[in-house]
Amino acid sequence: ILNVEQSPQSLHVQEGDSTNFTCSFPSSNFYALHWYRWETAKSPEALFVMTLNGDEKKKGRISATLNTKEGYSYLYIKGSQPEDSATYLCASRMDSSYKLIFGSGTRLLVRP
Amino acid sequence: NAGVTQTPKFRVLKTGQSMTLLCAQDMNHEYMYWYRQDPGMGLRLIHYSVGEGTTAKGEVPDGYNVSRLKKQNFLLGLESAAPSQTSVYFCASSSGLAHTDTQYFGPGTRLTVL
Repeated sequence: ILNVEQSPQSLHVQEGDSTNFTCSFPSSNFYALHWYRWETAKSPEALFVMTLNGDEKKKGRISATLNTKEGYSYLYIKGSQPEDSATYLCASRMDSSYKLIFGSGTRLLVRP
Repeated sequence: NAGVTQTPKFRVLKTGQSMTLLCAQDMNHEYMYWYRQDPGMGLRLIHYSVGEGTTAKGEVPDGYNVSRLKKQNFLLGLESAAPSQTSVYFCASSSGLAHTDTQYFGPGTRLTVL
């Protein structure tokens, strides 16, 4: 089993702070990297899918970058708001079977 | 358009009992997946299906069986439940059309085995 690692496990920030967290994945046989946002008592929802080295994606205050050569992706949140509180999951696809390998997530809590 | 639905939402079983979890999707997706989620761990793939009538093992298939008799439904069965199967189960589906294929998740089923 090839592991996808996320750090930190949890993060507490103040409203207005900017924050970022990391997803590390095996760089061999890379197909795609997914970010999901998972609010408590809800289902994970897709944020971004990235495939190319150097890819950057943005949705509002949230953005992500991808480095496939060294096997990492960063997720950035600018000016965190309490509604950003959630667990952020990354998942890597490493073959053509459409299976995803998920990290254990970074749990973000934004204090008002 | 309900997306992905799961029934039941909660269930408590005794060791040795059997049950079936139902996943349904109305997006005409080819691919469907069953995951389990345990504290401190990521979503782990139990079984998946790439089309009606086909199933395949994922990362943690032991103790589970699945069936995909209709394209829109994917059933997960526990023949003889064990306490180690206490978990939250998520179903997902995807179109399978591209490398950027996104999985859409159901709301989850919380299962406790006593």
